Amino acid sequence: AQKVTQAQTEISVVEKEDVTLDCVYETRDTTYYLFWYKQPPSGELVFLIRRNSFDEQNEISGRYSWNFQKSTSSFNFTITASQVVDSAVYFCALSVRSYNQGGKLIFGQGTELSVKP
Amino acid sequence: EPEVTQTPSHQVTQMGQEVILRCVPISNHLYFYWYRQILGQKVEFLVSFYNNEISEKSEIFDDQFSVERPDGSNFTLKIRSTKLEDSAMYFCASSDGENTEAFFGQGTRLTVV
Repeated sequence: AQKVTQAQTEISVVEKEDVTLDCVYETRDTTYYLFWYKQPPSGELVFLIRRNSFDEQNEISGRYSWNFQKSTSSFNFTITASQVVDSAVYFCALSVRSYNQGGKLIFGQGTELSVKP
Repeated sequence: EPEVTQTPSHQVTQMGQEVILRCVPISNHLYFYWYRQILGQKVEFLVSFYNNEISEKSEIFDDQFSVERPDGSNFTLKIRSTKLEDSAMYFCASSDGENTEAFFGQGTRLTVV
């Protein structure tokens, strides 16, 4: 069975602080995919990143960076110099290799990030 | 930029009534999904649809639920006889391939009273 754990329920930071959101996953599949989604107060789910299990390179996109470590089954997300607009719930998700099924997403519980001015 | 659109944004219905939630996925996408998010909780998979049939469904997706792609653009979720516990945000999503990123609509908030 697959599982995603986001142990941090809520995080509160002051603007310009760096913040790391933790994600730990469980799967026995050797081919899998990891995702992060952002859910702002307006409610929609916004795709941020997708990584496959064979690509452990860290990724940076502007103020966002992701650290994928298979050895610890973690896929952590760091926001550098946080801004008020980063306030949202962030979900980590996992899908495993599928055949003509698309690949359902298994979500973690989410981490609510509050960035105060 | 192409997007997934859902209607209505909010629906209130009486317990026992049938509801149909509508979605227009991104036009060149092949896989379609419905997810549910009960208030304050995580997002849960309901069903995936590919090649005009259900490809996978969760335990939540029981006989009260059905999906349909009635034409080349719409994708619907029907709940036959709503229960109070069906109150949630329902998200439609689509993707262009196996295990590729899914793009979500803005959601339909269903309130069963």
